[in-house]
Amino acid sequence: AQKITQTQPGMFVQEKEAVTLDCTYDTSDQSYGLFWYKQPSSGEMIFLIYQGSYDEQNATEGRYSLNFQKARKSANLVISASQLGDSAMYFCAMRGGNAGNMLTFGGGTRLMVKP
Amino acid sequence: GAVVSQHPSWVICKSGTSVKIECRSLDFQATTMFWYRQFPKQSLMLMATSNEGSKATYEQGVEKDKFLINHASLTLSTLTVTSAHPEDSSFYICSACPYRGQGQTSTDTQYFGPGTRLTVL
Repeated sequence: AQKITQTQPGMFVQEKEAVTLDCTYDTSDQSYGLFWYKQPSSGEMIFLIYQGSYDEQNATEGRYSLNFQKARKSANLVISASQLGDSAMYFCAMRGGNAGNMLTFGGGTRLMVKP
Repeated sequence: GAVVSQHPSWVICKSGTSVKIECRSLDFQATTMFWYRQFPKQSLMLMATSNEGSKATYEQGVEKDKFLINHASLTLSTLTVTSAHPEDSSFYICSACPYRGQGQTSTDTQYFGPGTRLTVL
């Protein structure tokens, strides 16, 4: 069974500062993928970044980077230079090698950016 | 980019009626689509996996006779909430995995629809 844990229900960050959202996972699969999604108040799920378990380098997408520590089973999202529009729910998710394309989601972290 | 639409965006219905929600991949084909529900301030919970041309696979605890799924084409999956009750009120989101041809489905990204908010009175 796969499990995703996000221990921060809510976080504040000052505009223009960087913030790290934590995500740990548990799986027995050797091959898996880790995802981060952003969900604003409108409800849509916006794909941010992907990390494959065999990727040697941490994924980066613009202001988003994924701090992947495989031995610790963590996949933290780092948002640099926070903007007011970054205020939203953020979900970490995992796709296991034996689960097809099915995603398992963490409980989410609500990020609030202060002006 | 890959776009997934859902229709309707929101629906209010009376208890006992059935509601159909459509999920369409607009610019790609998807042999696999997923249906999730999300209660307020909670995470997404997978309800079922919809496979084109075959029966859906339901997660444990999801009533297949209550939530009917039809994946009739490579771009359309529908979720019908039958005999809806107030406890079915929720946010329903679908996602789709692009089909890469030769029996290959993308394994890196799911594209989500904008969601459908269902309120049952």
